[in-house]
Amino acid sequence: EIVLTQSPGTLSLSPGERATLSCRASQSVSSTFIAWYQQKPGQAPSLLIYAASSRATGIPDRFSGSGSGTDFTLTISRLEPEDFAVYYCQQYGSSPPMYIFGQGTKLEI
Amino acid sequence: QVQLQESGPGLVKPSGTLSLTCGVSGGSISSGKWWSWVRQPPGQGLEWIGEIDHSGSPNYNPSLKSRVTISVDKAGNHFSLQVTSVTAADTAVYYCARDAGSGYSLEYWGQGTLVTVSS
Repeated sequence: EIVLTQSPGTLSLSPGERATLSCRASQSVSSTFIAWYQQKPGQAPSLLIYAASSRATGIPDRFSGSGSGTDFTLTISRLEPEDFAVYYCQQYGSSPPMYIFGQGTKLEI
Repeated sequence: QVQLQESGPGLVKPSGTLSLTCGVSGGSISSGKWWSWVRQPPGQGLEWIGEIDHSGSPNYNPSLKSRVTISVDKAGNHFSLQVTSVTAADTAVYYCARDAGSGYSLEYWGQGTLVTVSS
């Protein structure tokens, strides 16, 4: 079973700065199966990025995803106050079919 | 716009069965998508429980497979989750979700419901 490891566990930045969040898979995965979510306190996760680099509907272009193989990155170009949240990467595996989540990165002011 | 709403008891006794339903509005459960359950213990990360398609074919997380059943009710436009032999470790916020049109990610989520396992 593939394991997703996110780093750092906590990232402390200020509004206006650039955030770079990492997600490393324990074995090579297709970028088609990689997604990123944002979760704010008391809310359900919301889809930001699918297929490693495609923004979901309504997601601002300051959010971008990249990567291939075992290393994937979520970049927030200029942090807005509402971006401070927890971010999860996710992989959909086929053997067996299942969603796997990373442990999350907390982005704090 | 698809909307999902979880419902069910918020308190379940140890060794009992947790049962939740996810009502679907703004779309049909027979739309050809996959419908998932995800849980999140307090202060922890996300754990996928399983999914089902409109025909009733399920996939389960191997770590929970022996205790989980997901079913679909096309007439009622909802799907359900049962977890048997629950313990305190099953205490979590339970979310229902639907996959994205592009597949392989979860685009629509319910608001979540907290289920506590306690006597």
